[in-house]
Amino acid sequence: EAGVTQFPSHSVIEKGQTVTLRCDPISGHDNLYWYRRVMGKEIKFLLHFVKESKQDESGMPNNRFLAERTGGTYSTLKVQPAELEDSGVYFCASSPSGREQFFGPGTRLTVL
Amino acid sequence: AQSVAQPEDQVNVAEGNPLTVKCTYSVSGNPYLFWYVQYPNRGLQFLLKYITGDNLVKGSYGFEAEFNKSQTSFHLKKPSALVSDSALYFCAVRRTDSWGKLQFGAGTQVVVTP
Repeated sequence: EAGVTQFPSHSVIEKGQTVTLRCDPISGHDNLYWYRRVMGKEIKFLLHFVKESKQDESGMPNNRFLAERTGGTYSTLKVQPAELEDSGVYFCASSPSGREQFFGPGTRLTVL
Repeated sequence: AQSVAQPEDQVNVAEGNPLTVKCTYSVSGNPYLFWYVQYPNRGLQFLLKYITGDNLVKGSYGFEAEFNKSQTSFHLKKPSALVSDSALYFCAVRRTDSWGKLQFGAGTQVVVTP
């Protein structure tokens, strides 16, 4: 069974540009989560989808971040416009029940 | 406020020696507790979890963790470390009334020397 996949693995952009990260969860997992780890600090929750609905978006830092999950399958996280402090590793996780989460390899975002 | 603390940024241990990675938490109620590991250039991998029951939880790769409610701790242990255990370890908690949102510690880098 394929695991959680994320694309791209690494993105380098200039401040002010737009970047879109993609996450493909494990097939059949209704729950999808986004997290990020900035500058070697703790991994922080961004938001949680149940199917295509946002269950909890309390961790989204500001309105420059937009997450979607059309059709309840894959999800995208768009950062527009990107700022220097957005650099970090963005993880996606999926879960069938919310108990155990399966993480993807992450996308390393570097904003110059 | 809720928090998860991993007091050591790095733990150094010789191969064959016991390994302990500490985690304490401050979360209301009876949270679920997890350990994840991140190997270089890889994603987070689930090691083990405590939901309820026996305070000693066994997980993948020979790791185990002991839940101590009075001390609000969930330390990760391995009796005999391997060089291949060198990785970044994260403790995480989830409130039982949440929908799965995990709160992580800052991570502990484990370095096992031959």
